[in-house]
Amino acid sequence: NAGVTQTPKFRVLKTGQSMTLLCAQDMNHEYMYWYRQDPGMGLRLIHYSVGEGTTAKGEVPDGYNVSRLKKQNFLLGLESAAPSQTSVYFCASSQGGRAEAFFGQGTRLTVV
Amino acid sequence: AQSVTQLGSHVSVSEGALVLLRCNYSSSVPPYLFWYVQYPNQGLQLLLKYTSAATLVKGINGFEAEFKKSETSFHLTKPSAHMSDAAEYFCAVSDSGGGTSYGKLTFGQGTILTVHP
Repeated sequence: NAGVTQTPKFRVLKTGQSMTLLCAQDMNHEYMYWYRQDPGMGLRLIHYSVGEGTTAKGEVPDGYNVSRLKKQNFLLGLESAAPSQTSVYFCASSQGGRAEAFFGQGTRLTVV
Repeated sequence: AQSVTQLGSHVSVSEGALVLLRCNYSSSVPPYLFWYVQYPNQGLQLLLKYTSAATLVKGINGFEAEFKKSETSFHLTKPSAHMSDAAEYFCAVSDSGGGTSYGKLTFGQGTILTVHP
């Protein structure tokens, strides 16, 4: 059982370049999330989705876009990368409510 | 709005000593609370969760936490630390307690636990 899989695991971008991070889950969860992790700040919610075809903004959405065309996939896009987006990005999924969230292994992104 | 504060960004203990990681929360609705652990270069793994049942919650690897509403706290403890407990620990509160729930988590800043031989 793969759980939550993120690709790629590492990426270096130049300022202004674009990229898409892919998240796939095989647990049939309705809810999916993108968080970023920065030292001393914990994890902060970027965007989330409550079902196929839906997306919503989280705490730090600026500079990111997302799409959920299929229930099992949740894509995070950076249209024009900035050094401030250097971070570790985590995707998670859950059944919502009081259920726990399952996290991917993370994507370490560096913008130079 | 919800918030979580973890007191102490770094905690160091000797192997066999008590582990105490502090977490205080703020929530306008009955909270659902979680502790997650992150080992180096890995994702987050659930240690335990409080969802309004028993106030003393037992988790994996010998960890437990007690929900104290009067103190708005959810501190994590383990009686005897092991070298393998060295990791970063995150306390989180969910938006789940007030009716419609999307399972969004608000995290504390994290506490790095070091265990000395």
